[in-house]
Amino acid sequence: EAQVTQNPRYLITVTGKKLTVTCSQNMNHEYMSWYRQDPGLGLRQIYYSMNVEVTDKGDVPEGYKVSRKEKRNFPLILESPSPNQTSLYFCASSLFFLETGYGYTFGSGTRLTVV
Amino acid sequence: TQLLEQSPQFLSIQEGENLTVYCNSSSVFSSLQWYRQEPGEGPVLLVTVVTGGEVKKLKRLTFQFGDARKDSSLHITAAQPGDTGLYLCAGADPGYQKVTFGIGTKLQVIP
Repeated sequence: EAQVTQNPRYLITVTGKKLTVTCSQNMNHEYMSWYRQDPGLGLRQIYYSMNVEVTDKGDVPEGYKVSRKEKRNFPLILESPSPNQTSLYFCASSLFFLETGYGYTFGSGTRLTVV
Repeated sequence: TQLLEQSPQFLSIQEGENLTVYCNSSSVFSSLQWYRQEPGEGPVLLVTVVTGGEVKKLKRLTFQFGDARKDSSLHITAAQPGDTGLYLCAGADPGYQKVTFGIGTKLQVIP
């Protein structure tokens, strides 16, 4: 089944404790992206990757890191989480960048709480 | 950052009614997508439009991309309770490989 898999689905952590949210897709998609979703603010893009070893900042990159060493994986790293990073996170992938007419396939989300 | 404004933000209607949701921007997008999201789940792609003036139909849903590629609308005919959800529009920025989402329209269809 074609899908984007995120883990974990739920995570409660403490301020400052490094964490990684994994994202993997099995569709050979080139474009991958991370979003956070907050009430009243909608989905905001954190980082995106056009292909392996090519990543760039989205609109809210502060406090996050990403890597794209393999085409299928795009982990999101929070080196020192803070309470304002409490949010619902989504990983998404697309065959090519969306300007060509392709849409996203989203993962099921990771609900992160930082206390 | 390009902004997408969606209206209305909330909509509660009776089963069988028609409705239209709007997505507007002052910027031009190379393509625009509509998604539907249910609570606790990721958005699911409904349609992508790329050509100004394009109209696409998906059963009872009709999507239109504005001639200038700055706005779009989603029209639902004879809404059903299964249409309940958060409808999101998203625009691809032609210059920066970014994708911007609107805040969404939360639709409730009452049986």
